[in-house]
Amino acid sequence: QVQLQESGPGLVKPSETLSLTCTVSGGSINNYYWNWIRQPPGKGLEWIGYIFYSGSTNYNPSLKSRVAILVDTSKNQFSLKLSSVTAADTAVYYCARARSAMVDFDSWGQGTLVTVSS
Amino acid sequence: EIVVTQSPATLSVSPGESATLSCRASQSLIRNLAWYQQKPGQAPRLLIYGASTRATGIPARFSGSGSGTDFTLTISSLQSEDFAVYYCHQYNDWPLTFGGGTKVEIK
Repeated sequence: QVQLQESGPGLVKPSETLSLTCTVSGGSINNYYWNWIRQPPGKGLEWIGYIFYSGSTNYNPSLKSRVAILVDTSKNQFSLKLSSVTAADTAVYYCARARSAMVDFDSWGQGTLVTVSS
Repeated sequence: EIVVTQSPATLSVSPGESATLSCRASQSLIRNLAWYQQKPGQAPRLLIYGASTRATGIPARFSGSGSGTDFTLTISSLQSEDFAVYYCHQYNDWPLTFGGGTKVEIK
């Protein structure tokens, strides 16, 4: 059974770039869509974007100017970069798998809390 | 952007009773809707996709229905492990969006 694990700094300073990595184990990164989703403390879920294993991407327009998602198939990893962060970007960040571009998320990482603060 | 509205925000139910959760979309989703369960400190878990298909390993007491703009998640005979927050998620149009959640709490 596939497992996803997020990793990266838990604290980022305002105006800097948030960087997270999701490592996929127990299955190949090929032929799936790999998503980032976030959840501010006590609030709901927001889809950030996805990357296909081939490298094609799609981002939420609300974040598109600040987001980049990359994939490294040799390491079975994909990553998130969110630039110019503010306190509003404080959230638990989840990586999640989808079988196609527009379907449900069938596997999720446990999530990692990123706090934006000086 | 498709707005997905869940109601009620909180539902108080006694163990063994049924719970009915609602999800309404600002435009038709056809049947492109999923439901997730989230417990404190955990990631969401997929329950239902395609509006009514249970995901692998999900008990039969969870059922989904609806199409177009109105969808329902029904949990029959609530067990202690079912008290959680439930989210619906539309994947009919970009950007993908989620409802605000319904918290099912013990009455």
